[in-house]
Amino acid sequence: EAQVTQNPRYLITVTGKKLTVTCSQNMNHEYMSWYRQDPGLGLRQIYYSMNVEVTDKGDVPEGYKVSRKEKRNFPLILESPSPNQTSLYFCASRPRDSTYEQYFGPGTRLTVT
Amino acid sequence: GENVEQHPSTLSVQEGDSAVIKCTYSDSASNYFPWYKQELGKGPQLIIDIRSNVGEKKDQRIAVTLNKTAKHFSLHITETQPEDSAVYFCAARDAGGTSYGKLTFGQGTILTVHP
Repeated sequence: EAQVTQNPRYLITVTGKKLTVTCSQNMNHEYMSWYRQDPGLGLRQIYYSMNVEVTDKGDVPEGYKVSRKEKRNFPLILESPSPNQTSLYFCASRPRDSTYEQYFGPGTRLTVT
Repeated sequence: GENVEQHPSTLSVQEGDSAVIKCTYSDSASNYFPWYKQELGKGPQLIIDIRSNVGEKKDQRIAVTLNKTAKHFSLHITETQPEDSAVYFCAARDAGGTSYGKLTFGQGTILTVHP
């Protein structure tokens, strides 16, 4: 089954404790992206990657890092989480050609206390 | 960059009624406008899309219209059913440049269909 998977689905952590949210897709997509969803703000792009070893900032990259060492994986790293990073996070992927549909993962709800 | 405004933020209808969600965008170069449905506990899923060379598109009970001159597009759901209850997002795609077809999303609309 073609899908985007994320882990963990739920995470509660404390300020400053480094964490990684994993994202994996099995569709051989070149383009992958991370979004955060906050009430009243919709989905905002954090980082995106056009291919292996190619990443770039989205609209809200502060406090986040990403890496793309393999085509299928695109982890999101919070080196020192803060309460304002409490949010619902989505990973997405699509083929390089942007005319194709973008597929989203099931989401990761992160709470930073 | 692109800015997408979506209204209303919440919409409550009776089963069988129609629902309309509207979005405006700022970048006249945007050329692709998808609509996503997000059910509770799940990621957004594409339900319909429209390209800038088309004015209207229908898929069963769902339709989308695009007015390029006014830079707005709308989602129409007819004969609503309780399973249509969800959060709906509109989006506009950057035409190119260095953003590689980035999608900019609206703020979302919580649709509730009452039986």
